[in-house]
Amino acid sequence: DAGVIQSPRHEVTEMGQEVTLRCKPISGHNSLFWYRQTMMRGLELLIYFNNNVPIDDSGMPEDRFSAKMPNASFSTLKIQPSEPRDSAVYFCASSLGGDHQETQYFGPGTRLLVL
Amino acid sequence: GQQVMQIPQYQHVQEGEDFTTYCNSSTTLSNIQWYKQRPGGHPVFLIQLVKSGEVKKQKRLTFQFGEAKKNSSLHITATQTTDVGTYFCAGPTGGGNKLTFGTGTQLKVEL
Repeated sequence: DAGVIQSPRHEVTEMGQEVTLRCKPISGHNSLFWYRQTMMRGLELLIYFNNNVPIDDSGMPEDRFSAKMPNASFSTLKIQPSEPRDSAVYFCASSLGGDHQETQYFGPGTRLLVL
Repeated sequence: GQQVMQIPQYQHVQEGEDFTTYCNSSTTLSNIQWYKQRPGGHPVFLIQLVKSGEVKKQKRLTFQFGEAKKNSSLHITATQTTDVGTYFCAGPTGGGNKLTFGTGTQLKVEL
């Protein structure tokens, strides 16, 4: 299995531009998670989906952030417009779901720099 | 809300010394998981503990789940440079499949 796939791996953009991060979870996994990691705030859960349905988006910082999961094999996290404080590593993770099946498998991350 | 704290935040050791990180949850957990993130890498699952008082070993790593299922520890015997990284504990919270990750302990091993 290829594991969780994220693209792009690195993104440098200018303030005000739209940024779209992509994730392909492990086949057969029912839950998908988007995290943001910074030195100051550590690993933060932004949003997660079960069976393609958003369950908890309380971690989404503000309306500039949105996430979609149109099917079981693809999800996007969009920032529009981007700001320098959005610079971070964004991880996507997936899990099987179910009792004691919460183990999460992380993708390699997207390193975002907003200038 | 649920909080999972880890101490210490940072630890520098000489190669060959032992290392321990402690994880404390504000609520009882059904299970506890440990992850390791190498510098520049992503968190990687190490192990899951489910039973009260459970102890599991992986080579030089020993994981323990507290009797009250609110705390856990990871002990590394005779650290090596390959142990460098940040160690996170995580527990399921709030229903569903969400995990709350601890604050992490960053380990540096010096020769």
